[in-house]
Parts: sequence; C-alpha cells; structure tokens
Amino acid sequence: DVKVTQSSRYLVKRTGEKVFLECVQDMDHENMFWYRQDPGLGLRLIYFSYDVKMKEKGDIPEGYSVSREKKERFSLILESASTNQTSMYLCASSPRDRSNQPQHFGDGTRLSIL
Amino acid sequence: GQQVMQIPQYQHVQEGEDFTTYCNSSTTLSNIQWYKQRPGGHPVFLIQLVKSGEVKKQKRLTFQFGEAKKNSSLHITATQTTDVGTYFCVGSGNTGKLIFGQGTTLQVKP
Repeated sequence: DVKVTQSSRYLVKRTGEKVFLECVQDMDHENMFWYRQDPGLGLRLIYFSYDVKMKEKGDIPEGYSVSREKKERFSLILESASTNQTSMYLCASSPRDRSNQPQHFGDGTRLSIL
Repeated sequence: GQQVMQIPQYQHVQEGEDFTTYCNSSTTLSNIQWYKQRPGGHPVFLIQLVKSGEVKKQKRLTFQFGEAKKNSSLHITATQTTDVGTYFCVGSGNTGKLIFGQGTTLQVKP
C-alpha cells in the first residue's frame, strides 16, 4: 500500500521564521505535489515536481519554495512565515502517467503561524 | 483560466436520504476523478471517469461524466453515517493540469 508520510501533524511557528515541511513517499512515484487546504477554498496547488531536482509553480506559489533532491522526498519551505500561511498543508504523490493516475495523500500538517 | 465549480458547498441529510454533488467545468475535461476526505483525514481516491457519458457504480455511490465532458456528479443512495465527509472532484484539463472543485461537505444525521 502506498505510504505518503508528512513529518508533522501539527506545527506552530512564529512570524518571520523559516519553516520546513517534509514529505516522503515509499512507492517510487515520479510526481509529488504540495497543496494547502482552507475552508471554502478546497485544495490549492502550491508547487509540484515531476522528477528529481525539477519543480513547477502551481496556482499559489508566492511565499513558498520547494526542494526535491531525492525522488522520495519533497520539501516545502516557507521562507519567512506569515500569519496568512496558517493552513492545512497536504502532500501527495502519483506515478508518472499521461492519463493522470490517482494521487495518494499524506495525513497533512496543520500549520499555525503566530 | 480553467475552473471547476462544485455545488453545494454543504449538505445536511437525514440518514437514509439520498445525496448528490455536482461539478461543472468551464472547459472540456479529459477525465475527472473523485475523492473523499473524512473529518480529520486526508483525501482518498474513489474513482476516475474518462469516457463521455460514462456511469460507474460503487455499491451505493453512482458517478456520472457528462456527454460533453464538462460536468460530473456523485450520487449516494440511502446515506449512512459512514458517508460523512467532504467529496472532491478533480478535473484534468487539456494541458494535463489538475483542477480541483471546492468540495461538498456532507453531514448525515442518524
């Protein structure tokens, strides 16, 4: 069974801090994604990656960056956290396929910025 | 840009009643996926529809993809308390980009 593991379920940080959210998948998937989920807005794509060292901006990349140094790991970085980045963050992975394979999600990290 | 609108945002039903959520796209989709997210959980893939007019069933759940491939629906017959959660549609546009609906949150009163 596919396992997508996010490093923390809950995280509290302060404004201005640099924040790292880690995601690891164990199924050798090429594609990895970072979303944030806010009430009434659904899931919004922040960044995604189709391969090691490759990254693409999603719909709301401002204030975020990502790193994909290894195939199994995709990190989301908040360079200088702000209160409007308080949210639930979800990581997902899927195999490379032209017909859009289903995404497998981690349990999410609920991040609070004070 | 491409958008997928999902309605209703919330639905409260009595256990045993039926439930339907609808997704409408501004453009033709190559396929559509449906996910369910239980309270406190993460989205879990339910099904993918690819063909125009396709209908698929999973027990009490019926999924439809419109003839024009611009709309889709999920219908649950005789809801149970285990159906509680948020249901998302995810459309795939002509560039392969995934477009998420906002989700419909279902509450079921026992």
